[in-house]
Amino acid sequence: GIQVEQSPPDLILQEGANSTLRCNFSDSVNNLQWFHQNPWGQLINLFYIPSGTKQNGRLSATTVATERYSLLYISSSQTTDSGVYFCAPRGGATNKLIFGTGTLLAVQP
Amino acid sequence: ETGVTQSPTHLIKTRGQQVTLRCSSQSGHNTVSWYQQALGQGPQFIFQYYREEENGRGNFPPRFSGLQFPNYSSELNVNALELDDSALYLCASTDGGLQYFGAGTRLSVL
Repeated sequence: GIQVEQSPPDLILQEGANSTLRCNFSDSVNNLQWFHQNPWGQLINLFYIPSGTKQNGRLSATTVATERYSLLYISSSQTTDSGVYFCAPRGGATNKLIFGTGTLLAVQP
Repeated sequence: ETGVTQSPTHLIKTRGQQVTLRCSSQSGHNTVSWYQQALGQGPQFIFQYYREEENGRGNFPPRFSGLQFPNYSSELNVNALELDDSALYLCASTDGGLQYFGAGTRLSVL
């Protein structure tokens, strides 16, 4: 099955800093979502991005499907950005998402 | 707001017992998936239901079973609970390829 690696595993930022999170996947995918999991466990959809680039406010994401990676950019970070960020590609006929182990982000004031 | 609600939010059971977790998704979302998230890990796919039939399963034993109902609600049942079943259980409904997750049920097995 598809293997997903995310880096870095942990990241500490000062408020206002920018960051790039990376997701590598081992096989072709037909879907990829980025999620933010808040401290209460809720997975919040950030992007649905099987290929190309999308932007939503301070966040943007790029997926290069042919090279099997996706990047999530966070600009001007805020303390509310803290939490775990997961990328989850999907391959095959079902809706099964394959999650990596995530990037734990802590934004300090 | 994802439109996916799960109940209960927390649950404590003892080893060997059975548990039923519930999920309600948005009208028209015909596919529901269940995931298990152990502490410090990403969610792991348990199974998927489409129009009340299981049509995909992850690496979980048969004591994990499910049901999906015509009113877009679903259940996850776990028999003979083990200590390692302690986890956050997440339900997701699918709309146009995008999965929307509920807030989860945190199960503790003692």
